[in-house]
Amino acid sequence: DGGITQSPKYLFRKEGQNVTLSCEQNLNHDAMYWYRQDPGQGLRLIYYSQIVNDFQKGDIAEGYSVSREKKESFPLTVTSAQKNPTAFYLCASSLRTGFLAQMNTEAFFGQGTRLTVV
Amino acid sequence: SQQGEEDPQALSIQEGENATMNCSYKTSINNLQWYRQNSGRGLVHLILIRSNEREKHSGRLRVTLDTSKKSSSLLITASRAADTASYFCATLDSGYSTLTFGKGTMLLVSP
Repeated sequence: DGGITQSPKYLFRKEGQNVTLSCEQNLNHDAMYWYRQDPGQGLRLIYYSQIVNDFQKGDIAEGYSVSREKKESFPLTVTSAQKNPTAFYLCASSLRTGFLAQMNTEAFFGQGTRLTVV
Repeated sequence: SQQGEEDPQALSIQEGENATMNCSYKTSINNLQWYRQNSGRGLVHLILIRSNEREKHSGRLRVTLDTSKKSSSLLITASRAADTASYFCATLDSGYSTLTFGKGTMLLVSP
């Protein structure tokens, strides 16, 4: 089945620890995104990538890092520099935007990873 | 930065009634999309309307777009308990190439 998979579903982090959230897609999408969602809030963009080996910061990139070594994978590392990491993290993918923006650019989301600092 | 703002923040209706949610945005857009999120889950795409379209239908969903007022509305007709979820609008900026989401409307449909 085609889709986008996030793992793990629940993650606990100790103070000062780095943790990595996994995101894999088999939709052959060029673009991938990481969003953070806090209770009762909308989604805020952390990082996005339009193509392999390239990524850009979103609105709240501080304390996070990403890599895009393969088209299918876009892991997010929450570093110890992120002071308030407890949140619900959502990964998404879509066909490339930009000059194709007038075409179908719906995003497909994973089921999310809930990260809690203990 | 938050582009879209949904209104109302929460909406409670009975099964069979219609639900209307509104979204306002600030900058020029290529398209506007509506998504649904069940509690604790990922988002699911519902419908996309392009900047040169004014109205679009999909099943029980009707979306309108007024680019002069920078606003959109989502109408769910004959609502069901299974429609209970949060609904988000998202805009694709003409230059930024990413989707920007609002804070969402929480819809509760009671049997």
